[in-house]
Amino acid sequence: AQSVSQHNHHVILSEAASLELGCNYSYGGTVNLFWYVQYPGQHLQLLLKYFSGDPLVKGIKGFEAEFIKSKFSFNLRKPSVQWSDTAEYFCAVNAHGQNFVFGPGTRLSVLP
Amino acid sequence: DGGITQSPKYLFRKEGQNVTLSCEQNLNHDAMYWYRQDPGQGLRLIYYSQIVNDFQKGDIAEGYSVSREKKESFPLTVTSAQKNPTAFYLCASSIDLFGLAGGSEQFFGPGTRLTVL
Repeated sequence: AQSVSQHNHHVILSEAASLELGCNYSYGGTVNLFWYVQYPGQHLQLLLKYFSGDPLVKGIKGFEAEFIKSKFSFNLRKPSVQWSDTAEYFCAVNAHGQNFVFGPGTRLSVLP
Repeated sequence: DGGITQSPKYLFRKEGQNVTLSCEQNLNHDAMYWYRQDPGQGLRLIYYSQIVNDFQKGDIAEGYSVSREKKESFPLTVTSAQKNPTAFYLCASSIDLFGLAGGSEQFFGPGTRLTVL
């Protein structure tokens, strides 16, 4: 069965710091990869997705993620975080025709 | 304004009562899903539906039931058999089921927080 792990449960950063959130999955075949964000009091929304092609994917609000197939990883990055990035971030994976599997989430707190 | 609506936002019920959570989408998506979100556990799939009048159990279907009588609607009933029903419930939809056509993301509703007293 597929599984998704996220390295950190809670990350605390100051504004302008760089961000990297880890995501690893266990599945040997072709996968689709996603990062979702849940801002306080709001619904889950898609930050970025990878289906195929360039492994460096750019998303909304200055976020990007890199798919490294050999490491089964899809880490999320942002060069300079803002207070408004405070949210919970979920990595998700699905193989074609199979269930979406979500990681446990990483809570990001950005201090002003 | 396309999207997914869930109602109510907060729901309180007494133990032993069944309760139905509403989910409506106007995105013309074929596939719909129900997830349960608990702190530190991510999202776990309860039920999913590929088309009208068809639905399948997900990973944690025990104590839940669904129906899909219309394309745009996928209500979830939390029955008294669900041992730990207090949770945040999320409804989602996608163009096709699990990206069968080559990859598609899910769109989520705002969620319903159910508290059983």
